[in-house]
Amino acid sequence: QKEVEQNSGPLSVPEGAIASLNCTYSDRGSQSFFWYRQYSGKSPELIMFIYSNGDKEDGRFTAQLNKASQYVSLLIRDSQPSDSATYLCAVTIGGSSNTGKLIFGQGTTLQVKP
Amino acid sequence: NAGVMQNPRHLVRRRGQEARLRCSPVKGHSHVYWYRQLPEEGLKFMVYLQKENIIDESGMPKERFSAEFPKEGPSILRIQQVVRGDSAAYFCASSPSGEAFFGQGTRLTVV
Repeated sequence: QKEVEQNSGPLSVPEGAIASLNCTYSDRGSQSFFWYRQYSGKSPELIMFIYSNGDKEDGRFTAQLNKASQYVSLLIRDSQPSDSATYLCAVTIGGSSNTGKLIFGQGTTLQVKP
Repeated sequence: NAGVMQNPRHLVRRRGQEARLRCSPVKGHSHVYWYRQLPEEGLKFMVYLQKENIIDESGMPKERFSAEFPKEGPSILRIQQVVRGDSAAYFCASSPSGEAFFGQGTRLTVV
């Protein structure tokens, strides 16, 4: 079983729609959760992090965490073509507070069509 | 984060040669992490360093790979006797103590 699982996609949404990206993780002890965006050939860029159950909003992005279900999601409102990228879900190792040592999912490719 | 500087951006090595990848963290960041991204695969943790110390090298291959973060200068990831399977993007990330920010990466091609 993969430790961090994401649907590889591609997820295709029209411009202006809400894109919903999902991630499940296997280690119940994981404490910190991150979403990185990676454009093709570029480095991962941190866009959101969440540590507590519930929702966290930052501009057009909302991260949602449900530790009981071991599920974290990212919503992108008013999707733009520039949001087209691969979105990587990452979690810390269970029992560790080290937020730099992460387990990454394979990523979901998002395509926003004009 | 543009503050994490990696060089070179692209590196071509012949099989059997050595590859040295450099990473200068954001000023003030004392934690450095190296990750590898193989073609069509996800990012994998390799090693975590602080100044002059390797804290966690649980993701490093047992042979040919080493890393250091000296008191002065950049962190170095060293790959000896490279093989074609080492071709990948190698990313360095730095952190003050919280969230990690990635450099632009070094794309290693072994021919």
